[in-house]
Amino acid sequence: GAGVSQSPRYKVAKRGQDVALRCDPISGHVSLFWYQQALGQGPEFLTYFQNEAQLDKSGLPSDRFFAERPEGSVSTLKIQRTQQEDSAVYLCASSLRVREQNYGYTFGSGTRLTVV
Amino acid sequence: RKEVEQDPGPFNVPEGATVAFNCTYSNSASQSFFWYRQDCRKEPKLLMSVYSSGNEDGRFTAQLNRASQYISLLIRDSKLSDSATYLCVVNAGGTSYGKLTFGQGTILTVHP
Repeated sequence: GAGVSQSPRYKVAKRGQDVALRCDPISGHVSLFWYQQALGQGPEFLTYFQNEAQLDKSGLPSDRFFAERPEGSVSTLKIQRTQQEDSAVYLCASSLRVREQNYGYTFGSGTRLTVV
Repeated sequence: RKEVEQDPGPFNVPEGATVAFNCTYSNSASQSFFWYRQDCRKEPKLLMSVYSSGNEDGRFTAQLNRASQYISLLIRDSKLSDSATYLCVVNAGGTSYGKLTFGQGTILTVHP
């Protein structure tokens, strides 16, 4: 597709439930990021993939969060045993280059997760 | 101290006004800088990159002062459609890739 696609658009999960969020980056984009955006805040870095390699997962808030990109294209962010503080918008971004100096990154529309 | 700090506002200005947003960053090794715009319940979208020489895109002017670690965005002749959250974004050095760090965002409302 022309842009970064994320699904589902909205997800309501009961506390303790596992969820999986999907990101389809722009075809051929090497870099893929996951960000978490709480209400009223800027996006916070979660993890980074360069092709299929997860090079940085320093932003993942706990071991309940897991991300993968097995074939270097589609990525999945999994949250186990969801808690209310996980409620946020989860944004995926991709870029063609490894170091995007001038053109920024393309973000998907995000998945709005609400844990009840 | 946050890596990227912005005044969250909100800024409420009439149409036609000039408004300026400021941002400071803490990592002196930061290498590239951006302003993103985020509409309500939408994803962030790149507004413009920011260069030391300053750059202008129509009504928008961005400036970078590396010595002071300070970034600014000036919007002239504000339009109703400029109402949004403006995010200051820094691509920090020290990694092998372009990790973005976002400010909290500054809310702008332009009224008739």
